[in-house]
Amino acid sequence: AQSVSQHNHHVILSEAASLELGCNYSYGGTVNLFWYVQYPGQHLQLLLKYFSGDPLVKGIKGFEAEFIKSKFSFNLRKPSVQWSDTAEYFCAVKGGRNPGNMLTFGGGTRLMVKP
Amino acid sequence: DTAVSQTPKYLVTQMGNDKSIKCEQNLGHDTMYWYKQDSKKFLKIMFSYNNKELIINETVPNRFSPKSPDKAHLNLHINSLELGDSAVYFCASSQPGASNYGYTFGSGTRLTVV
Repeated sequence: AQSVSQHNHHVILSEAASLELGCNYSYGGTVNLFWYVQYPGQHLQLLLKYFSGDPLVKGIKGFEAEFIKSKFSFNLRKPSVQWSDTAEYFCAVKGGRNPGNMLTFGGGTRLMVKP
Repeated sequence: DTAVSQTPKYLVTQMGNDKSIKCEQNLGHDTMYWYKQDSKKFLKIMFSYNNKELIINETVPNRFSPKSPDKAHLNLHINSLELGDSAVYFCASSQPGASNYGYTFGSGTRLTVV
């Protein structure tokens, strides 16, 4: 199956700082890529996804991600974070070596935004 | 209306007991999943059903048995619960091939085995 690595386990930022969370996936051919967010005590919600086309994907709440095929990366960015962005962020991949429609998740990055 | 609903939301039980978690989706999706999120927030797939048929069965103890009576329901039954089963279990559904493909997750069931 595919593997997904998120190198930053914990990130602490002040409000208005810029954010970039790393995500790399193992090579496995054509993949679809996702970022999910999990607010404290809540379920996972889709932030954005990449299927094909423009490698720069815009999602909800001002988030965007860039798919760089040569680097097997799909990093998440936001120019100016807010306190309400405090959450756990998960990168996920579908396709490639994954069977069926299985999503493989990275280990997550816990973001804390200080007011 | 909740798209993917799980019950119960919290479950505290003793070691050795048998328990079930129910999941229902009203999205008309063909595929449903169970994921386990451990204390370190790591998410791992357990099972996937497509139209009531098991298509993914990851390395999970056979004490865990999924049951899909119809494509809108995927229940998880756990026998002889162990301390290590304590986790948050998420149900999800998806519609493969849909242009807006993605998983919709339930709100999770926090299982605590004491």
